[in-house]
Order: sequence, then structure tokens, then C-alpha cells
Amino acid sequence: AQKITQTQPGMFVQEKEAVTLDCTYDTSDPSYGLFWYKQPSSGEMIFLIYQGSYDQQNATEGRYSLNFQKARKSANLVISASQLGDSAMYFCAMTPNTGNQFYFGTGTSLTVIP
Amino acid sequence: NAGVMQNPRHLVRRRGQEARLRCSPMKGHSHVYWYRQLPEEGLKFMVYLQKENIIDESGMPKERFSAEFPKEGPSILRIQQVVRGDSAAYFCASSRNPGTANVLTFGAGSRLTVL
Repeated sequence: AQKITQTQPGMFVQEKEAVTLDCTYDTSDPSYGLFWYKQPSSGEMIFLIYQGSYDQQNATEGRYSLNFQKARKSANLVISASQLGDSAMYFCAMTPNTGNQFYFGTGTSLTVIP
Repeated sequence: NAGVMQNPRHLVRRRGQEARLRCSPMKGHSHVYWYRQLPEEGLKFMVYLQKENIIDESGMPKERFSAEFPKEGPSILRIQQVVRGDSAAYFCASSRNPGTANVLTFGAGSRLTVL
């Protein structure tokens, strides 16, 4: 069975500070993809970053980086130098080898404080 | 270079009516996915379609829900005889290819409210 767990319903971070959003996953597939999406209050889902299960290096995209610890089955999102516009819901997702489904976590609400 | 287009953005229906949600994938994308998001929850997979074919409908309720992706025109998610529990945001996503590196591009969602 595939499962994504985000244990932080809400997080606060001071503007310009870094923040880590936790995500653990469970899958028996040897090959899978891990994703983070941002959902601002306007409701759309915005792709942030991708990590493949066989990638040797942690993914980075601008201020976003993914702290991938395969043995622990964790894929935490790190946002550096937080900005007010980063306030949103953040969803971790996984797609196993078949690629038909994305499994989403329940999300973490991030609030950036000025 | 339009993204994934969904309409309507908001839809209000009374119990027992039908709801039709439309999705036009990104140009060059032939794979379409529908997801449902209940309030305060993550997205739940409903169905995966390619042109004229349903590939995986394991997340679709067995009754009242159907989806299609015709050769011409948008993908349609159809909900018959809606009930209050169908109130949710319905997201469509598209991709160029399937697979584990398959980044889904989402539409802005259609928010269904059942009175």
C-alpha cells in the first residue's frame, strides 16, 4: 500500500528564515517519484520540486530543496529565505512505478510572519 | 501556451441535479487525471484517462460518477444525482507522459457546492 504522511498541520516561520516541512512515505515499489506542490489561497496547485527514488543527489529548485533520506523514507521540503508569498498549503506527493496515481499527504499550512 | 483549463471554476447544484466539469489539458499532453479535494484534506485520485480510453478508474465511486476524454474536445467529469457529500474541489491535471518522473500540471480546479 502507498501512503504519504505529513505530520505538521500548521507551521509558522519568520520572514527570511528557513523552514522544513516534513514528509514521510511508504511504498514497496523500488522505483517512485516524490513531489511537492504548493496551494495558495487562490486554490491552484503549483509544482515545486521533484525527486526520483534513484537520484543520488537531493533536488534543488531555487529556494526549494528536497532533503531525501531514502532509508528513512522521508522527503522533507526546505524553503530558504522565506517570503510572505510562501504562505500557502504545501502537499507532498508520491507516484509509484506504474505512474498512474499520485498519492498526496494531507498538507501543511505554512504562514510566513513579517 | 495555455496551461490546464478547467471550467466552470465554481458550480452550484441542488441535490439530485447533474454536474459536468470540463478539463482541457495542456497542449501536447495526452494524459489526463482527475482528483478530488475535500475541505481540509489532500487530493484523492479519481481517474486517469488517455484519449478515448479510461486507463485507471480505481478511485472513482462506483455509482453516479463517470469520466471521458473524447478524441475531440475536453475531458468531462460527470456526476449524476449529486448529493451534499459531493461538494468538493475537483482538480484536473495533465502530463505528456506517464511514469515516476511524470510532473502533473494542474488546473485551477472546479469547486462544486451542492445545496
